[in-house]
Amino acid sequence: ETGVTQTPRHLVMGMTNKKSLKCEQHLGHNAMYWYKQSAKKPLELMFVYSLEERVENNSVPSRFSPECPNSSHLFLHLHTLQPEDSALYLCASSQESPPQGSPLHFGNGTRLTVT
Amino acid sequence: KQEVTQIPAALSVPEGENLVLNCSFTDSAIYNLQWFRQDPGKGLTSLLLIQSSQREQTSGRLNASLDKSSGRSTLYIAASQPGDSATYLCAVNPKGSSASKIIFGSGTRLSIRP
Repeated sequence: ETGVTQTPRHLVMGMTNKKSLKCEQHLGHNAMYWYKQSAKKPLELMFVYSLEERVENNSVPSRFSPECPNSSHLFLHLHTLQPEDSALYLCASSQESPPQGSPLHFGNGTRLTVT
Repeated sequence: KQEVTQIPAALSVPEGENLVLNCSFTDSAIYNLQWFRQDPGKGLTSLLLIQSSQREQTSGRLNASLDKSSGRSTLYIAASQPGDSATYLCAVNPKGSSASKIIFGSGTRLSIRP
């Protein structure tokens, strides 16, 4: 298996639930990212990890909690979300951070609906 | 502050036509610019990456150009096919960031009519 894999593909959760999104990359990259894509808005960078260390946190609410246990895996833990958090959450990886010269590779995303 | 704009937001052309998608950015201090394709409900697929020292990149029927001084990039699609229908996004990697802060445009939704 190659590329960037995200699970689950779809997730519906209530505002009081706790859930986690998972991302796995099989490209040997050393940087991983979480992006949020809402309807009719540009992609928003949420978190960046380089060599398992968080190097960027783009003013994301604390109800989103990232975890990077190793360079191949990235999680996004969710709790007490709001309906406006419904969006497509995309994971990406690259060979270095900041990726001055290397392209981003994206997973297919998790479509999250908060009810 | 770097801003990326893609105009038009949507474009519909008949099959077989050549077409150009536009991307503009406000600050020429970038490491590179990348074009992506996104199908409905899917992630982004990288099409072409142009380093700041390059002027164009080609892959099959796709050709991307970069003019840093004017803050513009174009994606040229030759002999368009219905399978080219998707949203095309450009993204710039600005210099001076403490970490990766790739900035995306809002995309152009392309529809190729059979």
